[in-house]
Amino acid sequence: DAGITQSPRHKVTETGTPVTLRCHQTENHRYMYWYRQDPGHGLRLIHYSYGVKDTDKGEVSDGYSVSRSKTEDFLLTLESATSSQTSVYFCAISDQGQGAGGYTFGSGTRLTVV
Amino acid sequence: GQNIDQPTEMTATEGAIVQINCTYQTSGFNGLFWYQQHAGEAPTFLSYNVLDGLEEKGRFSSFLSRSKGYSYLLLKELQMKDSASYLCAVIQVTGGGNKLTFGTGTQLKVEL
Repeated sequence: DAGITQSPRHKVTETGTPVTLRCHQTENHRYMYWYRQDPGHGLRLIHYSYGVKDTDKGEVSDGYSVSRSKTEDFLLTLESATSSQTSVYFCAISDQGQGAGGYTFGSGTRLTVV
Repeated sequence: GQNIDQPTEMTATEGAIVQINCTYQTSGFNGLFWYQQHAGEAPTFLSYNVLDGLEEKGRFSSFLSRSKGYSYLLLKELQMKDSASYLCAVIQVTGGGNKLTFGTGTQLKVEL
């Protein structure tokens, strides 16, 4: 979607290596989210941010860390990738914490850990 | 915590009407979204309900009953391009803002 980009779009990495995924927005939205999507589980929240340097854990945060040093960028790091982290990762942004503004998703990053 | 349930799969005929149900249990409820997701693509926004009642938008309508923890998405005049996964998502208010939690999605197949 316009205003939110994820990089890389695809990545293959080896077990045990660190990996960083980037979400960049040009909408100046306060809220940013990282989800992973797996068959049978739907979209699950990993971490989210409600402002610069303000982050919190979601339901599947183990093995992941995030950073948000400026409004436009939200980074997701897999500290030591495992095969169970093979997934499609989506970033989302929202301009209103109350939800009425909706959540806009990036195009996703397909990560394969071998 | 949250629990969101929706059927895994549904099949319907082109031109017909289909209703996709979603039930939820959550604390701090602050609204419900429906998203559409085609295979290999990102979810796209369809509707948002925070008050009880029906919201209509073209061929798509969404209904919410907060007291029953129930919502449905109604798709009319089905087209082949409506074949997709439909995701129900609930907003939960937390100390750090809102969290959006998704159901596992309903895969809709539209047939001729």
